[in-house]
Amino acid sequence: AQKVTQAQTEISVVEKEDVTLDCVYETRDTTYYLFWYKQPPSGELVFLIRRNSFDEQNEISGRYSWNFQKSTSSFNFTITASQVVDSAVYFCALSEQGGATNKLIFGTGTLLAVQP
Amino acid sequence: NAGVTQTPKFQVLKTGQSMTLQCAQDMNHEYMSWYRQDPGMGLRLIHYSVGAGITDQGEVPNGYNVSRSTTEDFPLRLLSAAPSQTSVYFCASSHALLIPPETQYFGPGTRLLVL
Repeated sequence: AQKVTQAQTEISVVEKEDVTLDCVYETRDTTYYLFWYKQPPSGELVFLIRRNSFDEQNEISGRYSWNFQKSTSSFNFTITASQVVDSAVYFCALSEQGGATNKLIFGTGTLLAVQP
Repeated sequence: NAGVTQTPKFQVLKTGQSMTLQCAQDMNHEYMSWYRQDPGMGLRLIHYSVGAGITDQGEVPNGYNVSRSTTEDFPLRLLSAAPSQTSVYFCASSHALLIPPETQYFGPGTRLLVL
Protein backbone atom coordinates (compact mmCIF):
# COMPACT_ATOMS: atom_id res chain seq x y z
CA ALA A 1 0.00 0.00 0.00
CA GLN A 2 1.09 3.53 -0.61
CA LYS A 3 1.42 5.88 2.33
CA VAL A 4 2.80 9.29 3.20
CA THR A 5 3.84 10.09 6.76
CA GLN A 6 4.39 13.56 8.13
CA ALA A 7 5.31 12.86 11.72
CA GLN A 8 5.55 16.52 12.72
CA THR A 9 2.03 17.68 13.53
CA GLU A 10 2.98 21.23 14.52
CA ILE A 11 6.19 23.23 14.43
CA SER A 12 6.70 26.66 15.92
CA VAL A 13 9.72 28.78 15.07
CA VAL A 14 10.76 32.38 15.44
CA GLU A 15 11.17 34.48 12.33
CA LYS A 16 14.52 34.06 10.53
CA GLU A 17 15.04 30.55 11.88
CA ASP A 18 15.52 27.71 9.43
CA VAL A 19 12.97 24.91 9.61
CA THR A 20 12.75 21.46 8.02
CA LEU A 21 9.50 19.63 7.42
CA ASP A 22 9.84 15.88 7.19
CA CYS A 23 8.07 13.59 4.74
CA VAL A 24 8.49 9.82 4.55
CA TYR A 25 6.68 7.77 1.94
CA GLU A 26 5.95 4.14 1.14
CA THR A 27 5.33 2.76 -2.31
CA ARG A 28 5.94 -0.40 -4.32
CA ASP A 29 6.06 1.48 -7.59
CA THR A 30 9.45 2.06 -9.18
CA THR A 31 8.15 5.21 -10.84
CA TYR A 32 6.34 7.70 -8.66
CA TYR A 33 6.03 11.40 -8.05
CA LEU A 34 6.22 13.44 -4.90
CA PHE A 35 4.65 16.80 -4.24
CA TRP A 36 4.55 19.52 -1.64
CA TYR A 37 1.54 21.78 -1.22
CA LYS A 38 1.06 24.79 1.03
CA GLN A 39 -2.27 25.64 2.64
CA PRO A 40 -2.22 29.16 4.11
CA PRO A 41 -4.83 30.28 6.64
CA SER A 42 -7.06 31.38 3.75
CA GLY A 43 -7.55 27.70 2.95
CA GLU A 44 -6.53 27.27 -0.66
CA LEU A 45 -3.98 24.68 -1.72
CA VAL A 46 -0.87 26.07 -3.36
CA PHE A 47 1.43 23.81 -5.36
CA LEU A 48 5.10 24.13 -4.41
CA ILE A 49 7.05 21.36 -6.14
CA ARG A 50 6.84 18.04 -7.99
CA ARG A 51 9.71 15.55 -8.02
CA ASN A 52 9.91 12.25 -9.90
CA SER A 53 11.50 9.12 -8.51
CA PHE A 54 14.36 9.15 -11.00
CA ASP A 55 15.58 12.59 -10.10
CA GLU A 56 17.34 12.67 -6.75
CA GLN A 57 18.91 16.05 -7.22
CA ASN A 58 18.11 18.51 -4.50
CA GLU A 59 16.22 21.57 -5.58
CA ILE A 60 16.38 25.13 -4.35
CA SER A 61 13.88 27.87 -5.06
CA GLY A 62 14.63 31.06 -3.20
CA ARG A 63 14.31 30.33 0.51
CA TYR A 64 12.81 26.90 -0.18
CA SER A 65 14.81 23.73 -0.73
CA TRP A 66 13.94 20.08 -1.03
CA ASN A 67 16.01 17.02 -0.17
CA PHE A 68 14.90 13.80 -1.90
CA GLN A 69 16.56 10.60 -0.71
CA LYS A 70 15.31 7.32 -2.16
CA SER A 71 17.49 5.31 0.21
CA THR A 72 15.46 6.55 3.17
CA SER A 73 12.20 7.15 1.26
CA SER A 74 12.19 10.75 2.35
CA PHE A 75 11.37 14.05 0.68
CA ASN A 76 12.09 16.77 3.20
CA PHE A 77 11.34 20.47 2.80
CA THR A 78 13.48 23.22 4.30
CA ILE A 79 12.58 26.86 4.64
CA THR A 80 15.59 29.10 5.22
CA ALA A 81 15.20 32.33 7.17
CA SER A 82 11.52 31.73 7.81
CA GLN A 83 9.03 34.57 7.61
CA VAL A 84 5.61 35.09 9.15
CA VAL A 85 4.07 34.62 5.69
CA ASP A 86 5.38 31.05 5.71
CA SER A 87 2.86 30.19 8.44
CA ALA A 88 0.63 27.53 6.91
CA VAL A 89 -0.14 23.84 6.80
CA TYR A 90 2.23 22.00 4.49
CA PHE A 91 1.24 18.74 2.83
CA CYS A 92 3.48 16.16 1.25
CA ALA A 93 1.79 13.94 -1.36
CA LEU A 94 2.57 10.90 -3.49
CA SER A 95 1.18 10.20 -6.95
CA GLU A 96 0.43 6.68 -8.07
CA GLN A 97 1.88 5.78 -11.42
CA GLY A 98 -0.06 4.16 -14.21
CA GLY A 99 -3.18 4.58 -16.29
CA ALA A 100 -5.00 7.79 -16.82
CA THR A 101 -5.46 8.58 -13.18
CA ASN A 102 -3.67 11.31 -11.29
CA LYS A 103 -4.57 10.26 -7.76
CA LEU A 104 -2.73 11.93 -4.93
CA ILE A 105 -2.07 10.34 -1.55
CA PHE A 106 -1.58 13.02 1.04
CA GLY A 107 0.19 13.04 4.36
CA THR A 108 -1.63 14.46 7.35
CA GLY A 109 0.13 17.78 7.07
CA THR A 110 2.45 19.85 9.26
CA LEU A 111 1.24 23.12 10.74
CA LEU A 112 4.06 25.64 10.70
CA ALA A 113 3.72 28.71 12.89
CA VAL A 114 6.32 31.40 12.40
CA GLN A 115 6.35 33.87 15.26
CA PRO A 116 7.53 37.45 14.68
CA ASN B 1 -9.81 31.73 -17.26
CA ALA B 2 -11.42 31.08 -13.86
CA GLY B 3 -9.56 27.83 -13.14
CA VAL B 4 -11.43 25.50 -10.78
CA THR B 5 -14.53 26.95 -9.15
CA GLN B 6 -16.60 25.45 -6.36
CA THR B 7 -20.01 26.41 -5.01
CA PRO B 8 -21.18 26.96 -2.38
CA LYS B 9 -18.32 28.18 -0.21
CA PHE B 10 -20.10 27.20 2.97
CA GLN B 11 -23.18 25.11 3.68
CA VAL B 12 -25.04 23.94 6.76
CA LEU B 13 -27.20 20.84 6.46
CA LYS B 14 -29.36 18.84 8.79
CA THR B 15 -28.83 15.11 9.12
CA GLY B 16 -30.66 13.29 6.35
CA GLN B 17 -30.77 16.21 3.92
CA SER B 18 -29.31 15.88 0.46
CA MET B 19 -27.26 18.37 -1.48
CA THR B 20 -24.91 18.75 -4.41
CA LEU B 21 -21.52 20.39 -4.27
CA GLN B 22 -20.69 21.96 -7.58
CA CYS B 23 -17.30 21.92 -9.27
CA ALA B 24 -16.41 23.38 -12.64
CA GLN B 25 -13.18 23.93 -14.56
CA ASP B 26 -12.51 25.85 -17.75
CA MET B 27 -9.10 24.38 -18.63
CA ASN B 28 -10.39 21.43 -20.67
CA HIS B 29 -8.95 19.00 -18.14
CA GLU B 30 -9.81 15.35 -18.53
CA TYR B 31 -9.12 14.39 -14.93
CA MET B 32 -11.26 15.70 -12.07
CA SER B 33 -11.49 14.56 -8.49
CA TRP B 34 -13.00 15.26 -5.10
CA TYR B 35 -11.12 15.21 -1.81
CA ARG B 36 -12.25 15.78 1.72
CA GLN B 37 -10.04 17.35 4.36
CA ASP B 38 -10.49 16.51 8.01
CA PRO B 39 -8.35 17.57 10.97
CA GLY B 40 -5.41 15.23 11.45
CA MET B 41 -6.34 13.21 8.35
CA GLY B 42 -4.94 15.23 5.49
CA LEU B 43 -6.85 15.08 2.21
CA ARG B 44 -8.53 11.86 1.18
CA LEU B 45 -9.81 11.00 -2.27
CA ILE B 46 -13.58 10.47 -2.55
CA HIS B 47 -14.24 9.98 -6.27
CA TYR B 48 -12.48 10.76 -9.48
CA SER B 49 -13.16 10.92 -13.20
CA VAL B 50 -10.85 10.54 -16.19
CA GLY B 51 -13.34 11.94 -18.68
CA ALA B 52 -16.99 12.55 -19.44
CA GLY B 53 -19.04 9.47 -18.61
CA ILE B 54 -16.26 7.80 -16.61
CA THR B 55 -16.07 7.86 -12.82
CA ASP B 56 -14.49 5.68 -10.17
CA GLN B 57 -14.22 5.44 -6.41
CA GLY B 58 -11.40 6.72 -4.31
CA GLU B 59 -10.45 5.96 -0.75
CA VAL B 60 -13.63 7.17 1.01
CA PRO B 61 -16.58 6.95 -1.43
CA ASN B 62 -19.37 5.84 0.91
CA GLY B 63 -22.24 8.31 1.16
CA TYR B 64 -21.27 10.19 -1.99
CA ASN B 65 -22.28 9.96 -5.63
CA VAL B 66 -20.74 11.59 -8.67
CA SER B 67 -21.42 11.84 -12.37
CA ARG B 68 -19.54 13.45 -15.23
CA SER B 69 -21.81 14.44 -18.08
CA THR B 70 -19.50 17.15 -19.43
CA THR B 71 -15.77 17.77 -19.40
CA GLU B 72 -16.25 20.97 -17.41
CA ASP B 73 -18.44 19.84 -14.49
CA PHE B 74 -18.02 17.23 -11.78
CA PRO B 75 -20.72 17.55 -9.09
CA LEU B 76 -20.55 15.67 -5.80
CA ARG B 77 -23.85 14.52 -4.32
CA LEU B 78 -24.55 13.74 -0.71
CA LEU B 79 -27.64 11.55 -0.71
CA SER B 80 -28.42 11.64 3.02
CA ALA B 81 -26.04 13.84 4.96
CA ALA B 82 -24.52 12.56 8.19
CA PRO B 83 -22.50 14.45 10.84
CA SER B 84 -19.47 12.36 9.80
CA GLN B 85 -19.56 14.18 6.47
CA THR B 86 -18.77 17.49 8.13
CA SER B 87 -15.58 18.45 6.36
CA VAL B 88 -13.93 20.74 3.85
CA TYR B 89 -14.31 19.48 0.31
CA PHE B 90 -11.85 20.22 -2.45
CA CYS B 91 -12.29 19.65 -6.14
CA ALA B 92 -9.21 19.28 -8.32
CA SER B 93 -8.50 18.92 -12.02
CA SER B 94 -5.63 18.27 -14.39
CA HIS B 95 -4.84 16.86 -17.79
CA ALA B 96 -4.62 13.07 -17.82
CA LEU B 97 -2.35 10.63 -19.60
CA LEU B 98 0.68 12.81 -19.07
CA ILE B 99 4.07 11.57 -17.94
CA PRO B 100 5.02 12.99 -15.53
CA PRO B 101 1.52 13.61 -14.19
CA GLU B 102 0.50 17.19 -14.38
CA THR B 103 0.13 19.22 -11.23
CA GLN B 104 -3.45 19.26 -10.08
CA TYR B 105 -5.31 22.53 -9.79
CA PHE B 106 -7.44 22.77 -6.67
CA GLY B 107 -10.60 24.75 -6.16
CA PRO B 108 -11.05 27.06 -3.16
CA GLY B 109 -12.98 24.45 -1.17
CA THR B 110 -16.49 24.06 0.25
CA ARG B 111 -16.91 23.97 4.01
CA LEU B 112 -19.80 21.68 4.97
CA LEU B 113 -21.33 21.41 8.41
CA VAL B 114 -23.88 18.65 9.07
CA LEU B 115 -25.90 19.06 12.24
